[in-house]
Amino acid sequence: QKEVEQDPGPLSVPEGAIVSLNCTYSNSAFQYFMWYRQYSRKGPELLMYTYSSGNKEDGRFTAQVDKSSKYISLFIRDSQPSDSATYLCAMSLSNFGNEKLTFGTGTRLTIIP
Amino acid sequence: DAGVIQSPRHEVTEMGQEVTLRCKPISGHNSLFWYRQTMMRGLELLIYFNNNVPIDDSGMPEDRFSAKMPNASFSTLKIQPSEPRDSAVYFCASSSDGGASNQPQHFGDGTRLSIL
Repeated sequence: QKEVEQDPGPLSVPEGAIVSLNCTYSNSAFQYFMWYRQYSRKGPELLMYTYSSGNKEDGRFTAQVDKSSKYISLFIRDSQPSDSATYLCAMSLSNFGNEKLTFGTGTRLTIIP
Repeated sequence: DAGVIQSPRHEVTEMGQEVTLRCKPISGHNSLFWYRQTMMRGLELLIYFNNNVPIDDSGMPEDRFSAKMPNASFSTLKIQPSEPRDSAVYFCASSSDGGASNQPQHFGDGTRLSIL
């Protein structure tokens, strides 16, 4: 069993819809939870991160972490065609800048104009 | 600012050949990471360096893989001999551990490797 599980999709939704992306994990020692966005033939780029349990909002994006359930989510409101990408969840034990990140396999998202 | 630069962008070679992937981290960054991405396994860490010293190479699949960081501005990942199952996209990422706040890992655009 992988440490981090993520539904690979693909997921297609109409423009303006609310998108929900999710990951589950097994290692209760994870402290930092990240969402990366990866456009086709590009490297992943950090979208946002959360420390421990709770919510974090950044514009149209909201990240939620429920450590008791080992479940994290990313919500995208008012989705735009430019949001079409693969979204990867990632986790780390402590300082995510200079230590190992454990990634989910990614969910491919398409926003239909 | 230039980001993480990887070369080559694409590599196609025959089984058994030596493959060398190159990475130039962002100037001033002191941590460097090599990841491999496949459809089945996703993005997996192979090895990472801090201040040019290998810290964790537990993700290196086998002895055919080796990585070096001779100085702060250059790293290589070598596969010898290469096998078809090594076909994947290989990413290099760098980060800075300066200060108390978390600094994200910045990824290059990867090397798409195909072993025939």
